[in-house]
Amino acid sequence: GENVEQHPSTLSVQEGDSAVIKCTYSDSASNYFPWYKQELGKGPQLIIDIRSNVGEKKDQRIAVTLNKTAKHFSLHITETQPEDSAVYFCAARTAYSSASKIIFGSGTRLSIRP
Amino acid sequence: GAVVSQHPSWVICKSGTSVKIECRSLDFQATTMFWYRQFPKQSLMLMATSNEGSKATYEQGVEKDKFLINHASLTLSTLTVTSAHPEDSSFYICSARASGEQFFGPGTRLTVL
Repeated sequence: GENVEQHPSTLSVQEGDSAVIKCTYSDSASNYFPWYKQELGKGPQLIIDIRSNVGEKKDQRIAVTLNKTAKHFSLHITETQPEDSAVYFCAARTAYSSASKIIFGSGTRLSIRP
Repeated sequence: GAVVSQHPSWVICKSGTSVKIECRSLDFQATTMFWYRQFPKQSLMLMATSNEGSKATYEQGVEKDKFLINHASLTLSTLTVTSAHPEDSSFYICSARASGEQFFGPGTRLTVL
């Protein structure tokens, strides 16, 4: 089955600087890669996603890149703000079918220093 | 956007009792729902996948007789933790899928004394 690894586990960034979180996946059949933000005591919220036919996607201060050959994908947050502090999870899913499911990485706790 | 709710948001129960958690898709119909468990400072681990009107598919290592899942309608799935023990204390999160997209609920914190 799919295995998603995520690094780093914790990340502290000065406000205004950029943060980068990296993930790798094992199943070459995976073609959908969402990123979630989870605040304390809440469920995960989708912040951005990318599909395997795209190498990069950007939404304001957030961008995601995908290297399908290397099975790597990364989240980039620019101009970080205090409200970006949370736990971020990458995930992977195989092609949509009744059997496909989202598998999560181990998470990165991002702290933004004022 | 699509909204998934869970009830209750938190529950405390005595060891040996059973607890039922509800997951509802509020503004869409979900043919498939997922149940995840998250221990403190850990990731979400998929427990089972349920399709409306059929038996749930459990992940390896998850006891199906302990975690009963019922997906009786396209908007409701329930997870019952039977004979709960302190080690079952966790954050349980459901997710509902529609049109290829998957939406997550706010989670239910279960504490077993």
